Parts: sequence; structure tokens; C-alpha cells
Amino acid sequence: DAMVIQNPRYQVTQFGKPVTLSCSQTLNHNVMYWYQQKSSQAPKLLFHYYDKDFNNEADTPDNFQSRRPNTSFCFLDIRSPGLGDAAMYLCATSRDLSGQPVQYFGPGTRLTVT
Amino acid sequence: AQRVTQPEKLLSVFKGAPVELKCNYSYSGSPELFWYVQYSRQRLQLLLRHISRESIKGFTADLNKGETSFHLKKPFAQEEDSAMYYCALRANTGGFKTIFGAGTRLFVKA
Repeated sequence: DAMVIQNPRYQVTQFGKPVTLSCSQTLNHNVMYWYQQKSSQAPKLLFHYYDKDFNNEADTPDNFQSRRPNTSFCFLDIRSPGLGDAAMYLCATSRDLSGQPVQYFGPGTRLTVT
Repeated sequence: AQRVTQPEKLLSVFKGAPVELKCNYSYSGSPELFWYVQYSRQRLQLLLRHISRESIKGFTADLNKGETSFHLKKPFAQEEDSAMYYCALRANTGGFKTIFGAGTRLFVKA
């Protein structure tokens, strides 16, 4: 089945220790998104890639970076995680931004910062 | 500013009762509205979108531009409808960003 995969499902990192979360897709979609979701809150868009074009949200901290080496993979790098970065991180894809905007989500990675 | 408000964090109904999950939005243009659902231990997935005008799993939602609402309704709730429901708005200009509401947890009691 075509799908969106996130690894790992659970990640524990230490305060200040860089961490990378991974997302892959077999849908061949042009757009890949990263959302941060804290408990009882809405998923908050951090950034998205349209093909190789990176689009950062204005309020996304510099601590968060992303890489998309090819169509299938997208990574979220947190350079120096703080306690406030503990959250569920959701990866999503869509075929495009306008005509086919339905998003397909991965299962999420729950990040714990100790 | 674009905003999606789901006023109820939790909605509890009995099986067979009607259910309405409220969603109000703030957007100056003409948005596209969605309902996404997350069942227990499953990923977030699309339930329905307003332009499709479909009934999915017995749920319908009508976009009311006058009241800026997109409430989700089902006449007879089933236990398997218990889930987290998110209303989402996609701007049709300026980057086509999707904004999610904070979600409503629906609990259908037997």
C-alpha cells in the first residue's frame, strides 16, 4: 500500500543533543509537510517542501531545519532540542498545493526531551 | 488572520443520538474546508472536504459562509465513530497553507 512512513515512532533525546526525524513516502507526492503537535493542541505547520522548494513558516524557530534529498524522503532536524520541543511530529504529503490539496499523514514520531 | 475554532474539546453522545461537531473559521477570502479524523491508534486521515459535497460514513458538513461555519453532522452516532476530529481550513491564496483546529474528541457511548 502506498503510504507515509515515519521513523522512529518514539524518540528520546537529551536537552541540547541534535536529533533527526525521518519521513518517507511511496505516494510520489510533490509536497511534504512537517507539523508539530503538542498535547491537546492543533497540528502546527513548521514548513513544507514543494518538490525541492523549501517553505518555512514565519514563526518556526531557527532550531528546526529540514532536508529533502529526493522525492521520497524528508528529514526534520532539531539542532538543540529544548524541553519545549517535546511533542508529536507529524509528516504529511499531498500531490500538490492547489488542485490536489488533501494531505496524507504518517503515524507520527513522539519526541521526548530529557 | 486565518483561524479555525473548535469550541468543544470533548463531545459525548449515546449511540443512535445525533451528533454535531462545531467548527468556525476566520478567513477573509474563499477557503476550502476539510474534516480530518484520527481513530484510536491510527493516523490522521481525511474524512471529507466541502467541495466534494459527499456523505462519508454517514457524516455530512455544509459550508455556511454567512456564519463562517463548517459543522460536521451525523444523524445517528455509532460507537465506531469515537475518534478525534479536526477541522481544517486551506487558504486559496498566498502559499495555500492549511490551518487545523485543536480538535474535538467524540465519545459515543453504548
